[in-house]
Amino acid sequence: KNEVEQSPQNLTAQEGEFITINCSYSVGISALHWLQQHPGGGIVSLFMLSSGKKKHGRLIATINIQEKHSSLHITASHPRDSAVYICAVQTSGSRLTFGEGTQLTVNP
Amino acid sequence: NAGVTQTPKFRILKIGQSMTLQCAQDMNHNYMYWYRQDPGMGLKLIYYSVGAGITDKGEVPNGYNVSRSTTEDFPLRLELAAPSQTSVYFCAARGIGDYGYTFGSGTRLTVV
Repeated sequence: KNEVEQSPQNLTAQEGEFITINCSYSVGISALHWLQQHPGGGIVSLFMLSSGKKKHGRLIATINIQEKHSSLHITASHPRDSAVYICAVQTSGSRLTFGEGTQLTVNP
Repeated sequence: NAGVTQTPKFRILKIGQSMTLQCAQDMNHNYMYWYRQDPGMGLKLIYYSVGAGITDKGEVPNGYNVSRSTTEDFPLRLELAAPSQTSVYFCAARGIGDYGYTFGSGTRLTVV
């Protein structure tokens, strides 16, 4: 069993829909990261969380440390949100362990 | 700001050849990392560095070497390339404190 599990693996939505991607982890962490990988391959850091909730534009990330679970929400989704979303947990020594990613496709 | 710059973007190597993947950052970040990404798999840590002169192995270090003589540069050396090293390689950097990671644009390496 992977230390970081994401669900769903693939997600197709219609433009305007509210989207949720989930991440569960099994190890102790100092922080959790959400990353976005564009179709061209570049990786961008979206959020770094150690507790509670963060919001940036239409993106919201939450974490529940007790339940070892995080969610990434996208409100009013748009085709340009189509990408792979990656959850990664930061453990000791500043190392990251990555989930396998969620492929999101938003259709117009 | 350039952030993290990786070169080359693409490379084809023959089995047994060697090469160095370059990574440079202009953010004065202490932490630097090399990851590989295989199709359908999460990124795997190859090597990392917490500062100039200090490097350590990650999950999949075999077949690779690194050095960190300056804060800015963190090259990854492949000796005796093998087909199993066909992958996309990402370099990343992070500062101390509440900073996210900054990734380079990646190097797509094929070993034939």
